[in-house]
Amino acid sequence: DIQMTQSPSSLSASVGDRVTITCRATQSISIYLNWHQQKPGKAPKLLIYAASSLQSGVPSRFSGSGSGTDFTLTISSLQPEDFATYYCQQSYSTPFTFGPGTKVDIK
Amino acid sequence: EVQLVESGGGLVKPGGSLRLSCAASGFTFSNAWMSWVRQAPGKGLEWVGRIKSRTDGGTTDYAAPVKGRFTISRDDSKNTLYLLLNSLKTEDTAVYYCTTMGIAAAVVYWGQGTLVTVSS
Repeated sequence: DIQMTQSPSSLSASVGDRVTITCRATQSISIYLNWHQQKPGKAPKLLIYAASSLQSGVPSRFSGSGSGTDFTLTISSLQPEDFATYYCQQSYSTPFTFGPGTKVDIK
Repeated sequence: EVQLVESGGGLVKPGGSLRLSCAASGFTFSNAWMSWVRQAPGKGLEWVGRIKSRTDGGTTDYAAPVKGRFTISRDDSKNTLYLLLNSLKTEDTAVYYCTTMGIAAAVVYWGQGTLVTVSS
């Protein structure tokens, strides 16, 4: 099975900050990497699919990059509604494993 | 608008069974690949399994912890996805989400989830 890791596991940031979260796979997954956002008590929401494609309706301050084993989610200017937990997920081969999550909270 | 509404969760004893349902609307369900994802209390997301569309073979795949105990099925005439949970263990306690799958097999839309609690 492909294992996913994320760093950092948590971070504190201020509104307006540029935030970068990284995700690494234990083997090459091409661009089959997706990012989800989850707020407390809510269902997750897809932000980015296929490493860099923005899901419809998602603000353009979110962007994704990478291929192979190393990927990045960037929030260009953090907004109050962005404080949440972010998960990467590989969809290259089953089981479609998730990373452990990165919690972004207010500094 | 895509809507996924799960139901069927509840309290069950270890070794028991439960069937979850997911009523889908707002898209062509029969063409969709669907999956289940779960989240134990205070923990991260865990992929449970997937079912392809009938035209793509209707086959299923499962995560190792649930393989042989859980079964995903679909009724395209009712636009409904199912998850049958057998031989339940305390570690199966979680919110279970029904999801659609899209481009590059990404999980796209999520239901609101249904809580399954396995406890004696």
